[in-house]
Amino acid sequence: EVQLVESGGGLVQPGRSLKLSCAASGFTFSNYYMAWVRQAPKKGLEWVATISTSGSRTYYPDSVKGRFTISRDNAKSSLYLQMNSLKSEDTATYYCARREYFDFWGPGTMVTVSS
Amino acid sequence: DIQMTQSPSLLSASVGDRVTLSCKASQNIYKYLNWYQQKLGEAPKLLIYYTNSLQTGIPSRFSGSGSGTDFTLTISSLQPEDVATYYCYQYNSGPYTFGAGTKLELK
Repeated sequence: EVQLVESGGGLVQPGRSLKLSCAASGFTFSNYYMAWVRQAPKKGLEWVATISTSGSRTYYPDSVKGRFTISRDNAKSSLYLQMNSLKSEDTATYYCARREYFDFWGPGTMVTVSS
Repeated sequence: DIQMTQSPSLLSASVGDRVTLSCKASQNIYKYLNWYQQKLGEAPKLLIYYTNSLQTGIPSRFSGSGSGTDFTLTISSLQPEDVATYYCYQYNSGPYTFGAGTKLELK
């Protein structure tokens, strides 16, 4: 059974950093692109980042480019999202998802950016 | 950026109704269009990928159609458990974008 479990969310001040993790199981992690998607409170979904199987290619929307970094450790079946220079508009539930088109999702981890 | 417009934003229907949700892209996205279902308090779930391919485990009452800029999600006979918000998503070209969602409720 495919399982994705995010961790690392919490309350952080504007301008600070936070690193999210996603532990994957139930499939061969190294064979799949992985992604992060977020959802602000009571809002819609926003794609945040995608990474290739080897980690050599990464993709971001302009809203997070230069501030967020997606990475992976295939030996640990883990996905990461390093978030720097956080802003209040980054407040959201962050989901880890499999494939470029998100065929499986984790339950999410909440990030609140507030002073 | 490709804008995805979903309509209606809110839809009320009765159990057993045939329900149609619309999604329009601002540019040609060929068939690179997915549909997701999100129930209250849960993570989204993939229903349909590449316009009309049913994800494993999804009931056959869900179907998708379209190409280019106009797409449709159809529920052939609405069930109580289908109450949710439905999102379309294009992955033809970056930045990849979601529609704002259609909230489906029971009448």
